[in-house]
Amino acid sequence: AAGVIQSPRHLIKEKRETATLKCYPIPRHDTVYWYQQGPGQDPQFLISFYEKMQSDKGSIPDRFSAQQFSDYHSELNMSSLELGDSALYFCASSSEFGELFFGEGSRLTVL
Amino acid sequence: QKEVEQDPGPLSVPEGAIVSLNCTYSNSAFQYFMWYRQYSRKGPELLMYTYSSGNKEDGRFTAQVDKSSKYISLFIRDSQPSDSATYLCAIVPNQGGKLIFGQGTELSVKP
Repeated sequence: AAGVIQSPRHLIKEKRETATLKCYPIPRHDTVYWYQQGPGQDPQFLISFYEKMQSDKGSIPDRFSAQQFSDYHSELNMSSLELGDSALYFCASSSEFGELFFGEGSRLTVL
Repeated sequence: QKEVEQDPGPLSVPEGAIVSLNCTYSNSAFQYFMWYRQYSRKGPELLMYTYSSGNKEDGRFTAQVDKSSKYISLFIRDSQPSDSATYLCAIVPNQGGKLIFGQGTELSVKP
């Protein structure tokens, strides 16, 4: 069965650079979520989209933005990167039944 | 106080043992409950999804929800070394909403 696809899997950037992460949800899933997970921490909700509109917002820094496109894929843009942004970034998608399925994550390292 | 509190562990058990993982939550309005398993450096994998009080069984896994006590549990029977992972409880306040995670319990099953 198709799963949530994230790219890139690994990304290394320097401070003050910009990074873009991509997420392709499971087909026919209408909601996409972004989470950030630091070492030894539980995933923290950043932002979500339902039918291409922002549906909820969590602890997402102002330096970050995201959108969902007409083909339902989503991109998380991170600017002015800081060392503390180093983390695993997960995308998840859910169907009308409410179960959330996660991708394998994108590991961002900021040097 | 976090909205979802999870016994932090770590938990170490011998192969074949029954494992009990527990979470409490603060808001009686929460409706949907999930358990995820996360291997190191991997995305959370959905194990169980339930929305009513009582037990739900899937193979060696049983999810239990007690809405009157605001308490959820995951039981693993005949635990295997391959069950060694971090287990995260998660709650969705309403369908389509974001997940609120517990802190995670790291489980180690020794052969």
